[in-house]
Amino acid sequence: KAGVTQTPRYLIKTRGQQVTLSCSPISGHRSVSWYQQTPGQGLQFLFEYFSETQRNKGNFPGRFSGRQFSNSRSEMNVSTLELGDSALYLCASSLDESNQPQHFGDGTRLSIL
Amino acid sequence: GDSVTQMEGPVTLSEEAFLTINCTYTATGYPSLFWYVQYPGEGLQLLLKATKADDKGSNKGFEATYRKETTSFHLEKGSVQVSDSAVYFCALSSGGSYIPTFGRGTSLIVHP
Repeated sequence: KAGVTQTPRYLIKTRGQQVTLSCSPISGHRSVSWYQQTPGQGLQFLFEYFSETQRNKGNFPGRFSGRQFSNSRSEMNVSTLELGDSALYLCASSLDESNQPQHFGDGTRLSIL
Repeated sequence: GDSVTQMEGPVTLSEEAFLTINCTYTATGYPSLFWYVQYPGEGLQLLLKATKADDKGSNKGFEATYRKETTSFHLEKGSVQVSDSAVYFCALSSGGSYIPTFGRGTSLIVHP
């Protein structure tokens, strides 16, 4: 069974640009979550999608948005990039049952110059 | 709300030493508890889990026991290897939440 796939693995952007990251969940997983990981703040929850609807949201500004398609694939968009957005962005998928573990992709390393 | 507290790192050990990484939690109800591991340049991988009190999760020589009386889920390994060097995250999922609560992670460095 293929794991969670994130593309691209690495990305370099400049301030003010926008970026879109992609995540394909494990087959059969309908819940997709996004996290931002930085050395200073650790792992922070961005949002979670299920059946094309945002079901949970973390405490991030509106520049961070996402969506989910009918095949459960998800994209995350960050607009007007800032230096502080440099981070590893992780996607995780899970079965739609509470108390289930999440399965993570290897992440997209975003660097802002 | 729910929270997870892990010991500060880095934890530095010599190969074949005994490992303990402490994890305590605060949650309503009866959460499921997890340990994840993150190797350099990779995402988090589920290492082990326990879903009810007194359950012991184990995998790859690592163990953790769900202690409800002390609200703890400490990670242990009897003999660490250099290849165990990674960051370890304790997490919980409670009630109807689909989103786990993660600790800040503990870096483990194992020297030959």
